[in-house]
Amino acid sequence: RKEVEQDPGPFNVPEGATVAFNCTYSNSASQSFFWYRQDCRKEPKLLMSVYSSGNEDGRFTAQLNRASQYISLLIRDSKLSDSATYLCVVNGGGSYIPTFGRGTSLIVHP
Amino acid sequence: GAGVSQSPSNKVTEKGKDVELRCDPISGHTALYWYRQSLGQGLEFLIYFQGNSAPDKSGLPSDRFSAERTGGSVSTLTIQRTQQEDSAVYLCASSPRTSGNQETQYFGPGTRLLVL
Repeated sequence: RKEVEQDPGPFNVPEGATVAFNCTYSNSASQSFFWYRQDCRKEPKLLMSVYSSGNEDGRFTAQLNRASQYISLLIRDSKLSDSATYLCVVNGGGSYIPTFGRGTSLIVHP
Repeated sequence: GAGVSQSPSNKVTEKGKDVELRCDPISGHTALYWYRQSLGQGLEFLIYFQGNSAPDKSGLPSDRFSAERTGGSVSTLTIQRTQQEDSAVYLCASSPRTSGNQETQYFGPGTRLLVL
């Protein structure tokens, strides 16, 4: 089983739609969680950290479920500019090396 | 402020040649990571530097790969006797590594390496 798993997609949604991605992790001792965004041929950039209590940043909401070992990202009112690959990152659990998922591709169309 | 910079942005080389890739992290960041990303693939961890500690080289795919970090700042990734399968984007990231594991990584734009 991979340490961090994501559905590669692509998720193809119309503008204005709500879309959600999940990411599962295998190391129960993991301590910190992030969502990064990577545009085509660009470097990854932090989208948001994921806190135990869940957190929201504008149209984006991140949730952590430790019992089931997954994190989620919800995007409301999708924009064309949201088209990108979303990477799940898990850290801790005895290592300082973050583990990246392979990413979920989102395509928002008019 | 200045972000992470990498050079060159693109590198084309012939099989068997050596290449050096450079990373300038954000000033004051003590942690530095090298990754590579093949087309359509996820990030593959290569090596991690933290301050003056011995680097974690557990991700280096072969002994043709090596990296150093001078003065706790600039890092160079060297690939000797390049092979076509080394073709990828090599990404460097730094983080302040202030405490615990709740830290953000800041990535450079990457070096696109093509081995002919």
